[in-house]
Amino acid sequence: ETGVTQSPTHLIKTRGQQVTLRCSSQSGHNTVSWYQQALGQGPQFIFQYYREEENGRGNFPPRFSGLQFPNYSSELNVNALELDDSALYLCASSARTGFNYGYTFGSGTRLTVV
Amino acid sequence: AQTVTQSQPEMSVQEAETVTLSCTYDTSESDYYLFWYKQPPSRQMILVIRQEAYKQQNATENRFSVNFQKAAKSFSLKISDSQLGDAAMYFCAYGPNFGNEKLTFGTGTRLTIIP
Repeated sequence: ETGVTQSPTHLIKTRGQQVTLRCSSQSGHNTVSWYQQALGQGPQFIFQYYREEENGRGNFPPRFSGLQFPNYSSELNVNALELDDSALYLCASSARTGFNYGYTFGSGTRLTVV
Repeated sequence: AQTVTQSQPEMSVQEAETVTLSCTYDTSESDYYLFWYKQPPSRQMILVIRQEAYKQQNATENRFSVNFQKAAKSFSLKISDSQLGDAAMYFCAYGPNFGNEKLTFGTGTRLTIIP
């Protein structure tokens, strides 16, 4: 059983640029959630995707967008990068039936905006 | 909105001793999940223990146990026989029992194990 994999592991971008982060969900999981973890803070929910549709969104602006593909993998896109977007971005996959069936995190992508 | 508070930014414990990490939360729901996650330097969030609010019995996983006080909205984690590998950031998290599986995290407690 494969776990959740995220790519790339580290990324440096310039303010104003766009970035795409990728996540492959754990086998058997059909839901992907994205979190932003600023330095010294707990993760904050960005949004969740289920069956290729957004299924809930946190307090993040529209320049944070996502996709989910038929194989349940997902992308997080951030446009017009700001310095405050520097953070660890975590992806978690789960089964739609809820927390009883596991909620597995990847190791994250460290994004630095300069 | 749900909130999770961890009031201990840092804790330390002697190897083989017991340590308790505190967490309080706020919610108007009666059915939900509570979690403790461990985040080592590898960055991956690793589930330590999960508690379902409708279960009165406190969850236990080997050396890890919780003290769940639903009325007080308190959810502490006890680590017994602390080991060097327990050193990490520990996050308390709340999850609803309906809707999307969104977790609300606290700010974390950094646990240091003293050899």
